[in-house]
Amino acid sequence: AQSVTQPDIHITVSEGASLELRCNYSYGATPYLFWYVQSPGQGLQLLLKYFSGDTLVQGIKGFEAEFKRSQSSFNLRKTSVHFIDAAEYFCAVGEMEYGNKLVFGAGTILRVKS
Amino acid sequence: GAVVSQHPSRVICKSGTSVKIECRSLDFQATTMFWYRQFPKQSLMLMATSNEGSKATYEQGVEKDKFLINHASLTLSTLTVTSAHPEDSSFYICSANRGRFQPQHFGDGTRLSIL
Repeated sequence: AQSVTQPDIHITVSEGASLELRCNYSYGATPYLFWYVQSPGQGLQLLLKYFSGDTLVQGIKGFEAEFKRSQSSFNLRKTSVHFIDAAEYFCAVGEMEYGNKLVFGAGTILRVKS
Repeated sequence: GAVVSQHPSRVICKSGTSVKIECRSLDFQATTMFWYRQFPKQSLMLMATSNEGSKATYEQGVEKDKFLINHASLTLSTLTVTSAHPEDSSFYICSANRGRFQPQHFGDGTRLSIL
């Protein structure tokens, strides 16, 4: 069965520091991968997606992610974090062959300290 | 583009009441809409997948008679929580996508509190 693992429940970084959020997936077919961000009490906003092609994908808000098939990973990165980036981040794999369903990871809560 | 509107954002009602939540795609036609439930400090749990003009497909363990889904048009899906009880209190989020191989776009969610 398909699954997504986000090993870090919480991450705290200093403002201006770099960030990497880990995501590993298990999926038998071609993975369609997504990162979403959720601020408290709100819905999810799409940061970026990977369907095919270049394995380094650029998203909004200065985020990027790299698909590594050999490691079954799709880690999210940002070179310089701001206070406004504090939120919860969800990695998801899309079952596009089966009605576009998404399987989400458990999420990683990002805290930014001064 | 790809804006999804969810209404209401918050509902507080008495036990036994039925509550309807609307999900609209404002600037695109959504071939498929999804309904999720999110418990505090947890990830999203898919409840059902809704296609316009057909019956919703519910995930295992989700009560069809409790959570009624109607996808009346390509821009509107509704979730009705029937005879709601305190255990139905949760954050409900809808999403929509334009078609196959397209990302889902999410509404802002509905906080449902049953007293």
